[in-house]
Formats: sequence, structure tokens, C-alpha cells
Amino acid sequence: DIVMTQSPLSLPVTPGEPASISCRSSQSLLHSNGYTYLAWYLQRPGQSPQLLIYLASNRASGVPDRFSGSGSGTDFTLKINRVEAEDVGLYFCMQALQTPLTFGPGTKVDFK
Amino acid sequence: QVQLVESGGGVVQPGRSLRLSCAASGFTFSSYGMHWVRQAPGKGLEWVAVIWYDVSNKYYADSVKGRFTISRDNSKKTLYLQMNSLRAEDTAVYYCARDLLPSAGTRGYYYGMDLWGQGTAVTVSS
Repeated sequence: DIVMTQSPLSLPVTPGEPASISCRSSQSLLHSNGYTYLAWYLQRPGQSPQLLIYLASNRASGVPDRFSGSGSGTDFTLKINRVEAEDVGLYFCMQALQTPLTFGPGTKVDFK
Repeated sequence: QVQLVESGGGVVQPGRSLRLSCAASGFTFSSYGMHWVRQAPGKGLEWVAVIWYDVSNKYYADSVKGRFTISRDNSKKTLYLQMNSLRAEDTAVYYCARDLLPSAGTRGYYYGMDLWGQGTAVTVSS
């Protein structure tokens, strides 16, 4: 199974400032077709998860452009260029390359 | 509107069974791979199972293999999770979720879940 790790696990942020979360996979998520099967989710308190990014760098429908995903192979980053109040919550990365699909442990983002 | 609505959760004794349902609306259910994902209290997300759009393949997490069965009825636009031999560690909120693109999984890979239900809570306790 592919193991996903994230850092940091807790991220205090300041509204209006940038934030960044790292995710690493135990195997490359690059498929022979050239695509990288990594997704990012945000779970706001008391809500279901929401897809933010798929294929490592593609924003899902309706996701603000302050969110961006980057990376390749085994190392990935989610960036928020200016954190807003609604961005507080748990962020998860997930590999979608093969079953079992596996999630990172989550990064809790809240205000300082 | 486009949505998924789970039902069937509750409190059940260890060793007993429960069946979860997920009713889909607002999209062509029969075109999409569907997942179950669970979240134990205060914990992260754990993928449970996936079923392809055409029911031809199903895959499970090792933690539930042999005890849980994912199924779907495309005519009823409903996804199911039959859970047998339940254990305390199965206690979680169970979410059904749609894969992003139609026919996901048929080449081995998926894209991520872009539509989630509100979740249904399962508690396994004596």
C-alpha cells in the first residue's frame, strides 16, 4: 500500500498571510500516461470533505484560485496564497493511483 | 439538485450486521465510480471501498475485506454498503462519495471524490 505523510500536522495561520502544506507518498504517483494521481481535500469543522485539487495541480470546480497544488513524483505542496476565515479546517492529501486509496493523516489549519 | 444522501447508520452490537444506503440525485449515477470513506471519531479519513460505474469491479480496504460488501443499483440510483461481523473499530461516520470523472477506475486509477454525502454515523458497542 502507498503510505501518505503530511507536514506540518498543525498549522497556525494569520488571515491574509500565505500558508503551505506538504504531502509525501511512499511511491511515485506518476502514471505512465503522464498524469500524477494526487488529490487534496478540505474538511471544514462539522462538514463533509470537499475536493480542492486533483491530478496534483488542477483546481476542482468552484475552488477559489487562492488555492494551488504543485509537485511531482512523491513530493507535493498545497498553497493558500492569502488565508481567509473559511479556510480553517483539516486538509488531507490522498493518492488516487491505485487501490487501496490512501489518505495522509491530515493537517489542522486554524488561526493563531 | 446534485447530491448524495446516506442512511442506515445507528448503534449495533459487535458481531452484528448493518446496511448503509446512499441515494444519488441530480446526475447520471450509472456513469460514475462510487466510494465509501469513513472517519472514526476525532480521526482522519479512511477509504473503505469502491465500485465501478458498471458494477464490474469492486475493491476493498484490507481492514474490511471479507466483512463488508459494496454494491449498487443503477436503476434506483443507490449505493449500498453491507457491513457484517462489525467490530468496535468500525465505529465511524461513513460517507459515500462520487469519483470526479465518469468511468474512473477502469484503467486502474481514480481522480478523487468531488461529491460527498453528509455522512451516517455507525457505532459498534455492546
